[in-house]
Amino acid sequence: EAEVAQSPRYKITEKSQAVAFWCDPISGHATLYWYRQILGQGPELLVQFQDESVVDDSQLPKDRFSAERLKGVDSTLKIQPAELGDSAMYLCASSPRTSGIYEQYFGPGTRLTVT
Amino acid sequence: GENVEQHPSTLSVQEGDSAVIKCTYSDSASNYFPWYKQELGKGPQLIIDIRSNVGEKKDQRIAVTLNKTAKHFSLHITETQPEDSAVYFCAASKGNNAGNMLTFGGGTRLMVKP
Repeated sequence: EAEVAQSPRYKITEKSQAVAFWCDPISGHATLYWYRQILGQGPELLVQFQDESVVDDSQLPKDRFSAERLKGVDSTLKIQPAELGDSAMYLCASSPRTSGIYEQYFGPGTRLTVT
Repeated sequence: GENVEQHPSTLSVQEGDSAVIKCTYSDSASNYFPWYKQELGKGPQLIIDIRSNVGEKKDQRIAVTLNKTAKHFSLHITETQPEDSAVYFCAASKGNNAGNMLTFGGGTRLMVKP
């Protein structure tokens, strides 16, 4: 069964350092999402890609966060500089179609701890 | 924007009993309502979903109901087993051409006691 891959699974970094997360969606999935999940809460969307284009990044803190999906396949989410409040689980999800109602499948997430 | 409320936040049941989790949403344009199960340290796993043109959907021990008029939907798990213990999230989406961004509820921690 195809799955969304994410790495690393865990990351500990110091405040003010840069950190990057990688996501490889299910093969053939055109839409890719990055969510942030604070402990004890539901995931919240950060950015959505359709192929290589950003569809929605209204909730992405653009002063420190950036995301790219250069070839419309895998994606990288970067934080620079990291702050204590960025400690959370970062989840990647993908969906097979570009519009309409289609299921989103999540990866295992990257647990970020900022010290 | 959309707001999804989920209740209860924790639920403890005896093995074999039924569990019900309820969600309400605010945006009447929402038309897709998935439920996810999240185990400790893992990503959310889609377990069942329902679209706005359907009032009820069932998959073995799991069922979901939707009341569009009242803007609420519920997850029903029958004959609960210890492996059902996890955090469950409901979500809502409008599924328009800009993509189907999910708005999640706050989660329900289900504990099934053997």
